[in-house]
Amino acid sequence: DGGITQSPKYLFRKEGQNVTLSCEQNLNHDAMYWYRQDPGQGLRLIYYSQIVNDFQKGDIAEGYSVSREKKESFPLTVTSAQKNPTAFYLCASARTGTTDTQYFGPGTRLTVL
Amino acid sequence: AQSVAQPEDQVNVAEGNPLTVKCTYSVSGNPYLFWYVQYPNRGLQFLLKYITGDNLVKGSYGFEAEFNKSQTSFHLKKPSALVSDSALYFCAVRDNYGQNFVFGPGTRLSVLP
Repeated sequence: DGGITQSPKYLFRKEGQNVTLSCEQNLNHDAMYWYRQDPGQGLRLIYYSQIVNDFQKGDIAEGYSVSREKKESFPLTVTSAQKNPTAFYLCASARTGTTDTQYFGPGTRLTVL
Repeated sequence: AQSVAQPEDQVNVAEGNPLTVKCTYSVSGNPYLFWYVQYPNRGLQFLLKYITGDNLVKGSYGFEAEFNKSQTSFHLKKPSALVSDSALYFCAVRDNYGQNFVFGPGTRLSVLP
């Protein structure tokens, strides 16, 4: 899991509540990513950021929001607008060169009660 | 657009036998290919990558991968499987602009004792 931390490891939320997942990296990477993983499915990109104060929507951004105020941090907010938020969320970071490797955090499992 | 296919959802192999997990890709320009492994409730761990040069890439934990440009494949291999290799394996390609990674759907490897 390298120098990327995610917290909390497990998170429970009631329907209608917003919740924020933390992602921090000390690898000095410019790019950071959020993915969602559901059972039996691969990774789906939610948001990504190539530089501080800038980010782009991925394939499934609806119901999610992010910020990138610091290079080290890329928090993800799961809003009440996300209809089916129960999933495993993975944060990753990488340098921006085309041959550079993406490294992942340990993940946060979100369960909506 | 880049894409990655992993034609097998599940691969079963006996301990001590060689294993192969298949991956094919579609990309315009030079392919930059990656393999990751995921253990239950963990983030993805980087195994190896192909950038250029030798078609046989060696990685972590005794894994290697063979790049075949004519068949657009990047199969993961190991000469002798261990029970501890049982996990979910993802193939990925990085796009030519260096921004995003495209992941395959994953292949579940089961090594039977």
